[in-house]
Amino acid sequence: DAGVIQSPRHEVTEMGQEVTLRCKPISGHDYLFWYRQTMMRGLELLIYFNNNVPIDDSGMPEDRFSAKMPNASFSTLKIQPSEPRDSAVYFCASSPRSQGQGEKLFFGSGTQLSVL
Amino acid sequence: EDKVVQSPLSLVVHEGDTVTLNCSYEVTNFRSLLWYKQEKKAPTFLFMLTSSGIEKKSGRLSSILDKKELSSILNITATQTGDSAIYLCAAPFRAGGTSYGKLTFGQGTILTVHP
Repeated sequence: DAGVIQSPRHEVTEMGQEVTLRCKPISGHDYLFWYRQTMMRGLELLIYFNNNVPIDDSGMPEDRFSAKMPNASFSTLKIQPSEPRDSAVYFCASSPRSQGQGEKLFFGSGTQLSVL
Repeated sequence: EDKVVQSPLSLVVHEGDTVTLNCSYEVTNFRSLLWYKQEKKAPTFLFMLTSSGIEKKSGRLSSILDKKELSSILNITATQTGDSAIYLCAAPFRAGGTSYGKLTFGQGTILTVHP
């Protein structure tokens, strides 16, 4: 299995531009998570999906952030318009629903976002 | 309020030393506690501890869950430079009426092992 695949690996953009981050979870995993990591705040959960349905988006910072999961093999996290304070590493993770393994997340390599 | 707190935030040791990393938690309806290692990129899973499995060991790494003290420790013996990483603990917090917890991480402990 190729693992969780994220793209792009690096993104540099200017303030005000739209940014779209992409994620392909591990096949067969029922849960998908978007996390953001910064030095100041650590690893923060933004939103997670179960069977393509958003379950909890309370971690999404504000309306500029949105996430979709149109099918079981693809998810996007969009920031529009982007701001310098959005600069961070964004991780996507997936997990299987099987008993006792639900909390074991498999992370992608992350997208390093820099907003100038 | 549910939370996960790690200590120390950073630690510098020399190869061969033994280290103990701490994680305390306050979680309603505790279900499990997990340890991850993060090197340059993504966090990778180390251990999951539950009420029915309070001690895990893998090579030089071991972890214990203390349900009475609401805490866990991660021990690394005979440290090597390759152990240098951020070590994260996490616990699932229940989100409303959902049956699945949202995995919430502590701040992490930055471990640096010098030759």
